[in-house]
Amino acid sequence: EAGVTQFPSHSVIEKGQTVTLRCDPISGHDNLYWYRRVMGKEIKFLLHFVKESKQDESGMPNNRFLAERTGGTYSTLKVQPAELEDSGVYFCASSRTAYEQYFGPGTRLTVT
Amino acid sequence: AQSVTQLGSHVSVSEGALVLLRCNYSSSVPPYLFWYVQYPNQGLQLLLKYTSAATLVKGINGFEAEFKKSETSFHLTKPSAHMSDAAEYFCAVSHSSGSARQLTFGSGTQLTVLP
Repeated sequence: EAGVTQFPSHSVIEKGQTVTLRCDPISGHDNLYWYRRVMGKEIKFLLHFVKESKQDESGMPNNRFLAERTGGTYSTLKVQPAELEDSGVYFCASSRTAYEQYFGPGTRLTVT
Repeated sequence: AQSVTQLGSHVSVSEGALVLLRCNYSSSVPPYLFWYVQYPNQGLQLLLKYTSAATLVKGINGFEAEFKKSETSFHLTKPSAHMSDAAEYFCAVSHSSGSARQLTFGSGTQLTVLP
């Protein structure tokens, strides 16, 4: 079974530009999560999809972040426009049940 | 509300020595507790989980953790450290009921294994 994949692995953009991160969950996993780790800080929850619906987006920092999961398969997280404080590692995770979340390798975003 | 505290952002042990990584949690409802490990340039890998069954939980790579409700702790141990255990370890908590399943993480502990 293929694991959670994320693309790109690294992204370097300038302040004010737009970046779109993609996550492909494990096949059959209805739950998809986004997390972020800013340098030196904890990994923080951003949002949770169940299939294509946003179950909880309480962790989204502001309206510059837009997440979608069309068709309940892969998900994208768009940052527009990017700010310096958006730099960090963005993790995606998926799960079939409530007990285990399987994480992808993360996307390292650097905003200069 | 829930939170996790990991004592010690960096821990060093000698190869063959006991590994003890500390985690204390705060949760208003019975928690599910997890330890994840991140090896260099890799994603987070689940080491073990507590989901209200046995309080002593065994995980992969010889790690185990004990849930102690009275101490609100879930410390991770391994009897004998190996060089390959060098990584960052994260303790996490989630709710055991309701629809909220997001993980709340501690700040992580970087484990160094000395030869």
